[in-house]
Order: sequence, then C-alpha cells, then structure tokens
Amino acid sequence: DQQVKQNSPSLSVQEGRISILNCDYTNSMFDYFLWYKKYPAEGPTFLISISSIKDKNEDGRFTVFLNKSAKHLSLHIVPSQPGDSAVYFCAASEGAAGSYQLTFGKGTKLSVIP
Amino acid sequence: GAGVSQTPSNKVTEKGKYVELRCDPISGHTALYWYRQSLGQGPEFLIYFQGTGAADDSGLPNDRFFAVRPEGSVSTLKIQRTERGDSAVYLCASSLGTSTGEQFFGPGTRLTVL
Repeated sequence: DQQVKQNSPSLSVQEGRISILNCDYTNSMFDYFLWYKKYPAEGPTFLISISSIKDKNEDGRFTVFLNKSAKHLSLHIVPSQPGDSAVYFCAASEGAAGSYQLTFGKGTKLSVIP
Repeated sequence: GAGVSQTPSNKVTEKGKYVELRCDPISGHTALYWYRQSLGQGPEFLIYFQGTGAADDSGLPNDRFFAVRPEGSVSTLKIQRTERGDSAVYLCASSLGTSTGEQFFGPGTRLTVL
C-alpha cells in the first residue's frame, strides 16, 4: 500500500502562472516532508522541505503547504518558468522515530508551456 | 565541491551474473542511502548507513542484495544472481548526519539485466 500518493501523473501550466502539485500521505508517523525535482538522466534534486510543526514554508518562488489533519501537502510554484519543467517527487520521513529513509510518491511531471 | 558520484552510469548484465555498483558520497557526509527506482515509480529505500554500519537494511528485497561501507565513505551495493526484475536505476544519496534534512542524490546507475 502506497504511503505517499501523488495522484496527478502530469500537469501542464502556462509560463508565468501558478503551478500547484499535490501530495497525500497515509502514515501519521511522518513528521518531515520534502519535495524533489528530477530532470531526465539526473538524480533527484532537493527543492524545499517542511516539518510537521509548521503549516507553510516559503523559499523564493516555491511554497509548501502542509495540512496535517487532511494528511495533505502541496507545492506552489509562482511564477512558473519553462526551466521548472521536470518530474516532482513528494517524500516523507519519520525522523522522530529515528527512521530517516525517505518514502516517495510516484511523481508528477510538470510541463511549463512558454 | 563535488556532489555524489556513482559508477558505472550504465550496467548491462545477463541473468544470473553478479554486479557491483559504487557510490562516492559528498565528503564529510556520514549518512549514506541506497534507493532503487523502477520505471514509472518513485525511488524506493533499500539501505541506510551511518558511518560504517548499516543502520537500517529493511528495504533490501532479499538476500541477493548486500551493501558495504567499510571505511565510512565509499559504498558498494552488491547484487548476486541477478534477475530481470532487478533492472532499475539505483540511486545513492548522502546527508550530513542522522537528523532529518535533505539527502543529496547522485545521478544513479541504470542496471539492465537481460
């Protein structure tokens, strides 16, 4: 059973508009969440993270929102740029339990159209 | 500074053969992780080292898989009697310590078992 779910395999957005990528999780022990970006033939690159004690974290054009009661997080990219086109993975860990392995979703392929 | 490097970048082998995949983490990173990514899936955790010891090997699929990190730096993932189902991209990541935080990924080794 998938503990981290990204239900949208793909998303297309016009350049300059907002991209919203969603992620749901089922394991209530997860307390740290990360977003990674992946280009073809490269390893995932860390984008932004959030601890479960927060509900929002912002870094430049990227903002992650966490709704613990709904077990849902989202990544907002604004404004979207063509270079943002990549596969985005949501990941989670149980740091407080001493487990630092990341559990990933299947990814969402974002295409930003110029 | 250099990132995480993995060799070889591609490995083609025949069913039943033995393979070794190498990972050089970022200098000074004490934690090292191996993940496996199959087509259309997110990375899946295999094993985690803190220093020289395997702190969590719960993700290894069976006893054909083994990993070592004898000097607390370079790690080798070893797969015996390879099967076609072992074909995937094997990703290595490292991080500064055991606390939650970003893991830095290498470009991966694409293993194809014929």
